[in-house]
Amino acid sequence: AQTVTQSQPEMSVQEAETVTLSCTYDTSESNYYLFWYKQPPSRQMILVIRQEAYKQQNATENRFSVNFQKAAKSFSLKISDSQLGDTAMYFCAFMKLSTGTASKLTFGTGTRLQVTL
Amino acid sequence: DVKVTQSSRYLVKRTGEKVFLECVQDMDHENMFWYRQDPGLGLRLIYFSYDVKMKEKGDIPEGYSVSREKKERFSLILESASTNQTSMYLCASSHRTGWAYGYTFGSGTRLTVV
Repeated sequence: AQTVTQSQPEMSVQEAETVTLSCTYDTSESNYYLFWYKQPPSRQMILVIRQEAYKQQNATENRFSVNFQKAAKSFSLKISDSQLGDTAMYFCAFMKLSTGTASKLTFGTGTRLQVTL
Repeated sequence: DVKVTQSSRYLVKRTGEKVFLECVQDMDHENMFWYRQDPGLGLRLIYFSYDVKMKEKGDIPEGYSVSREKKERFSLILESASTNQTSMYLCASSHRTGWAYGYTFGSGTRLTVV
């Protein structure tokens, strides 16, 4: 079974600064996908960024980027130029590809990020 | 705008009641999922479905059942609600190739069992 670990329950960053959220995972699979989701106070889960394990290049989406270290099984999220709207719970998630059934997401326990003035 | 809609945002039920949580998606997705979210535990998969009438247990299925009679609707059933089922319940859906786009989530139902 896959496990996803987020070791930082809470973090705080000042507006316009950069923050990195950590995520490690454990799997014996070679082909999988990794995701970061954001859950603001509205409770709506929003996909932030995804990474294919077979791609060495780190994914980027505007101010969000990842540092994917496959050998170390590490998938950290960097938020640049933090904004007040980035305040949310952030979940790291792992997806193993399945055939004949749905591919399921396994989530970490989340990191609550507070962006301050 | 594509959506996953959960019928209730807040729900209060009594111990022993049979509880139905409804989820509807309008994206023609094959896969649908029910998670529960608890502080410090993240999201844990209860049940999922990959086609009409097809269902599989997730990691914590005890005390729950599901129904998927139509492609767009996936119901979570608490046969006899207990206080330890007080939680946030999130429904999600995905295309068959869920790895391409991830999941689309509903906005959750916060269930309190008293």
